[in-house]
Amino acid sequence: ELKVEQNPLFLSMQEGKNYTIYCNYSTTSDRLYWYRQDPGKSLESLFVLLSNGAVKQEGRLMASLDTKARLSTLHITAAVHDLSATYFCAVVLGGSEKLVFGKGTKLTVNP
Amino acid sequence: DGGITQSPKYLFRKEGQNVTLSCEQNLNHDAMYWYRQDPGQGLRLIYYSQIVNDFQKGDIAEGYSVSREKKESFPLTVTSAQKNPTAFYLCASSIDSWGLRRTYEQYFGPGTRLTVT
Repeated sequence: ELKVEQNPLFLSMQEGKNYTIYCNYSTTSDRLYWYRQDPGKSLESLFVLLSNGAVKQEGRLMASLDTKARLSTLHITAAVHDLSATYFCAVVLGGSEKLVFGKGTKLTVNP
Repeated sequence: DGGITQSPKYLFRKEGQNVTLSCEQNLNHDAMYWYRQDPGQGLRLIYYSQIVNDFQKGDIAEGYSVSREKKESFPLTVTSAQKNPTAFYLCASSIDSWGLRRTYEQYFGPGTRLTVT
C-alpha cells in the first residue's frame, strides 16, 4: 500500500523567511504532483515531477524530486502573504492510474 | 472555455436519500475521477474511469456508484448506504494515453459541498 506523508502539517512563518515542506512516500513511483488549495476552493496544479533529480521553479516556489530517497521537497523563498494556502503532494501508485494524496500542509504567512 | 464543471456547488439532503453529483468536462480527457475531502484531510479516491462504459473502484467506493455513458460526463451517486456522506466532493479529469497506460496531470473541478442531516 502506498503511503504519502507530508510534514509539517501546519506551518506558520513570517513574510520574507524561507522554509521547506517535505513529502515522503513509501513505494516506487515515477510521478509526483504538487497542488495548492485555498480555503473552500478546488485544487490548483503547481508542479509535475517526472524523473529523479527533477527540479521545477515558479516564482517563490521550487519543487524537487529524489526517487531513490522517495522524497520530494517544496521550498518557499522569501514568503509573502499570498502564499498562504494548503499544499498537497500526490504520488502515482505504480502500475495504476491512481493518485495517493498526502494530508496537506497548511501554510500561514504572517506579515 | 475548456474546463471541468461540477454542480451544484452546495447540496443539502436528508439522511436516507440518494443524491447525484454532476461532473462534466469539455477538455476531451479520457480519464475522470471522483475524490472525497474531509476537513483537514487529503483527498481520497472514490471511483475512476479511463474509458467510456468502464470504471474502477478507488479506496472508499462503498456507498457510492458511478456511470460513464459519455466521455464528457461522470456523475457520482451518493447512496443511503454511505454512512457519513457529508464532505467536499471533487471531480478531476486527465489525458490518458491508452496505449502507454500512463495518466497525465489531473485537473480539478470547483467541487460540490454535500451536507446530509
